[in-house]
Amino acid sequence: GAVVSQHPSRVICKSGTSVKIECRSLDFQATTMFWYRQFPKKSLMLMATSNEGSKATYEQGVEKDKFLINHASLTLSTLTVTSAHPEDSSFYICSARDKPGQGSGEAFFGQGTRLTVV
Amino acid sequence: AQKVTQAQTEISVVEKEDVTLDCVYETRDTTYYLFWYKQPPSGELVFLIRRNSFDEQNEISGRYSWNFQKSTSSFNFTITASQVVDSAVYFCALSGGSYIPTFGRGTSLIVHP
Repeated sequence: GAVVSQHPSRVICKSGTSVKIECRSLDFQATTMFWYRQFPKKSLMLMATSNEGSKATYEQGVEKDKFLINHASLTLSTLTVTSAHPEDSSFYICSARDKPGQGSGEAFFGQGTRLTVV
Repeated sequence: AQKVTQAQTEISVVEKEDVTLDCVYETRDTTYYLFWYKQPPSGELVFLIRRNSFDEQNEISGRYSWNFQKSTSSFNFTITASQVVDSAVYFCALSGGSYIPTFGRGTSLIVHP
């Protein structure tokens, strides 16, 4: 089955620095990728939807200048947490959907990234 | 439009008990996919199963089994003879062609020795 790889699986960064999380579709082309965040004791909430070659669509309440999403190719999307603060510490997960008409249209999930800002 | 409901927030059992985690979904897609993921205390999401909407066969994998019933829009997950290592948060998720993949709120399973 299709595989979505997220890297890194864990990252610790200092407050004020930026950190980039990569999401790759390994054996299919993903025109759409989704980024989620998990708050403590809560489910995984959608942050943004990114389409290859265009700007991401952010959910209400998500700061687009803080969470920069780039989907430059059909197999790679990146989430950059800029000027990270301890409250950005969380579990982030991506999902990738294959190209309409070329695949099943289902979405596959990465394994997630645990970000800790100290 | 699309929704996943895991009504059980937390379940506590004693080792060797059987436990069923419920998942009820709503979607307008005729083709969709259902998933179960395990999130142990270490945090990463562990893929357990993916099932498409055209395959209603129940599945068994070791102590794990899944019961998919389109008539009741449910995709329940049963762990037989639970073990302490089964303690985790379990998420049910839904992905359909028209909608954004959606997670349920998760069910925290605590297995006591």
